[in-house]
Amino acid sequence: AQKVTQAQTEISVVEKEDVTLDCVYETRDTTYYLFWYKQPPSGELVFLIRRNSFDEQNEISGRYSWNFQKSTSSFNFTITASQVVDSAVYFCALSEGNTGTASKLTFGTGTRLQVTL
Amino acid sequence: GAVVSQHPSRVICKSGTSVKIECRSLDFQATTMFWYRQFPKQSLMLMATSNEGSKATYEQGVEKDKFLINHASLTLSTLTVTSAHPEDSSFYICSARDWDSYEQYFGPGTRLTVT
Repeated sequence: AQKVTQAQTEISVVEKEDVTLDCVYETRDTTYYLFWYKQPPSGELVFLIRRNSFDEQNEISGRYSWNFQKSTSSFNFTITASQVVDSAVYFCALSEGNTGTASKLTFGTGTRLQVTL
Repeated sequence: GAVVSQHPSRVICKSGTSVKIECRSLDFQATTMFWYRQFPKQSLMLMATSNEGSKATYEQGVEKDKFLINHASLTLSTLTVTSAHPEDSSFYICSARDWDSYEQYFGPGTRLTVT
């Protein structure tokens, strides 16, 4: 069975600090997809990134970066120079199989990030 | 980009009544839609997978007779919470799979409060 663990329940940082959100996953499949979503107070999920199991390249998008390491089954997310608008709950998620991009997702428990001035 | 809508966005109903939530793919066709539930300050849990023209597949522990799912067209799936109780109060989120691109898109969610 697949599982996603986000050990950090809440993180509080001061604006402009860098922050890393951890995600560890478990799966028996060799083909799978990993996702990060942002959920602001409005509740709507905002897609951030998708990574397939065959692509271990790290990715950077503006202030966001992701570190995928199959050896440790981790897919960590770093926000550089955090801003107040980054305050939200962040979910890591996993889907399996050849249609993994569109299969049901298993979500982690989420990390609530609070960025203060 | 692809858009998924949900209606209503918020609903308050009395205990014992039924409420229907709609999930629509606005600019693509979706043979598969997923229904998730999120209790306050908790994660999203998959309730069921809805397939157009066939019966939904429910996750373990989800009562199929209580949460009725109908996916009658390629752009619409409905979730009906029957005989709702306060413990059904939750945030219900759907997602739809584009049958062409296989990408999955989430709706904005429906907040259900049962009094």
